[in-house]
Parts: sequence; structure tokens; C-alpha cells
Amino acid sequence: EVQLLESGGGLVQPGGSLRLSCAASGFTFSNYAMSWVRQAPGKGLEWFSTISGRGGSTDYADSVKGRFTISRDNSKDTLYLEMNSLRADDTAVYFCAKDRAVVVPAGPDYWGQGILVTVSS
Amino acid sequence: QSALTQPASVSGSPGQSITISCTGSSSDVGGYNYVSWYQQYPGKAPKLIIFDVSNRPSGASNRFSGSKSGNTASLTISGLQAEDAADYYCSSYRSSSTPLVFGTGTKVTVL
Repeated sequence: EVQLLESGGGLVQPGGSLRLSCAASGFTFSNYAMSWVRQAPGKGLEWFSTISGRGGSTDYADSVKGRFTISRDNSKDTLYLEMNSLRADDTAVYFCAKDRAVVVPAGPDYWGQGILVTVSS
Repeated sequence: QSALTQPASVSGSPGQSITISCTGSSSDVGGYNYVSWYQQYPGKAPKLIIFDVSNRPSGASNRFSGSKSGNTASLTISGLQAEDAADYYCSSYRSSSTPLVFGTGTKVTVL
């Protein structure tokens, strides 16, 4: 059974930093691209980052480019998201998601339960 | 980096069929068959119900079906049931530096 478990969320002040982790199990982690998707309160899903299976390729939405960094440790079956210079509009539930493909995102097939990040003073 | 366009809401009576559209461009929906659909209940993670335009993953109800014509993909829910009341999102691969895009989301109401 595929499982994705996010951790590391919480309350952070504007301008602060946070690191999210996503522990994966139930599949060969390195064989699939992984993405981060977020959902602001009452809003829709927003894709913002994907990393290829081996970690050699990353993509970011303009809304987070230069502030967020996606990475993975295939030896630990874990996906990471380093978030810096956080702003109030980064407040959202953050989902990690397993893609169906290795490199280009064909679309997620499994999702974590989500973790709330609140940026507020 | 605009989202795919979906109707904000669709409603139907139990037993009826409804269709949700997802309109993009030739750079995403129209150019690739990497269109997926997700069902999301409040406070829960999205669940994949259709992938690659018209394929159902194991465990997804056969009342869900997908199709595509030009730059518009569609999700049809047949034999509408109370449990189908949820939010639905499409997604597509996009040939750009931002390779995955979601739709604006559709709230389905069962009357």
C-alpha cells in the first residue's frame, strides 16, 4: 500500500523558513517523480514543484521560484521542501504527491494527507 | 501560468448524469493525453479517479468516465449518488517550465 506522510508544518512568521518532509512507503521511491501541491484556505489546488525520480530535474511555479527548494533522498525514501522568505499568501495545506511517471509529471496518483503551513505574525 | 478552466459548480438529481468540463490550450489539454481528474472531500486529500484522459484506476467507480475533444477534457458522472457531492479537479501536463497545471475546481451538488 502506497503511503505518503508529511511532517514539519506549523506556524511561522513572515520572512521565516520551514522545512517539510514527506516519508514514502509502499513503492519504489526512486522510480517516480514527486510533486508538492498546495491548497490555500477555501481555494483550489496549486501545483508548485516537481522533482524527477533520480532528482536530476526540478521545476517550480513562479510563485515560489527562488524561495522554495524541492529535494529528495532516495536512500531514505523521503521528499523534502525547503521554504524560505515565507509570505502570508504561502499559508495553505501542503500535499506531497507521487506522480505516475519518472520524469515529466503525468499527474499524481497518490497523495499525502496534507500538512498545514500558516504564515502569520 | 493560468489554471485550466472548470465551471465553478454543477448540480444534478440522484440517478442523473452530469458532465464537468476542463478547458485548456494546445500546450496542455489539447496537446497531450496526460489529463487526470481528482475527487476531493472537505478536509481530505484529493483522490485520483481518471488518468490519461479516460482510464480509471483500480478502485475508482465505473460511474466516472473521461473524454477529450480538442482543448477541452470532460468528466462524466453517471447515476449520480449522494456520495458524489465533492469538489472535482482536472490536471494536465503542460509543455512549459511549469509542467503540471490544475483546473479551477468544480463543486458538485446532489440535489
